[in-house]
Amino acid sequence: ETGVTQSPTHLIKTRGQQVTLRCSSQSGHNTVSWYQQALGQGPQFIFQYYREEENGRGNFPPRFSGLQFPNYSSELNVNALELDDSALYLCASSKDSIGEQFFGPGTRLTVL
Amino acid sequence: EDQVTQSPEALRLQEGESSSLNCSYTVSGLRGLFWYRQDPGKGPEFLFTLYSAGEEKEKERLKATLTKKESFLHITAPKPEDSATYLCAVQARKGGADGLTFGKGTHLIIQP
Repeated sequence: ETGVTQSPTHLIKTRGQQVTLRCSSQSGHNTVSWYQQALGQGPQFIFQYYREEENGRGNFPPRFSGLQFPNYSSELNVNALELDDSALYLCASSKDSIGEQFFGPGTRLTVL
Repeated sequence: EDQVTQSPEALRLQEGESSSLNCSYTVSGLRGLFWYRQDPGKGPEFLFTLYSAGEEKEKERLKATLTKKESFLHITAPKPEDSATYLCAVQARKGGADGLTFGKGTHLIIQP
């Protein structure tokens, strides 16, 4: 059974640029949730995709957007990057929208 | 608003010295409480889910318990490889977002 994978591992961008992060869910899972984890903090919920539809959103601005594909993989897009967007971005998959969430290794984004 | 507070922020123990980590929560109807382990620079690793007060789960040297206001993660005779940050998260029973609300974590160091 393949676990959750994310790409890229690390990314460096400059302020104002746009970035796309990718996530492949665990086999048999149809739900993907995205989190932002700043250094020394717990992960913060960005949004969740269930069967290709956004199922809920945390307190993040519209410049954070996403997609889920028919194979249940997902993308997180962030426009107009700000310095405070520097963080570890985590993707988690689950069997359904309320199931236990299993995390990928994360993408470390640095905004200069 | 759902809240999770973990204590202590950091804990240093000698190998074999048992202790407990605390997770206090306020949530509008608990669907589940989750414990994760996170190593530096990696994604959280799922440990336990607890659904109702009085429930207990065990895995090797770890035991998680749940009351109506808090959860404890008991570590018995820890080893250096148990060193990590332990995260607690809650999921609320509500319509809309099914994301997890995390605490900041307890950074645990086990000295040989």
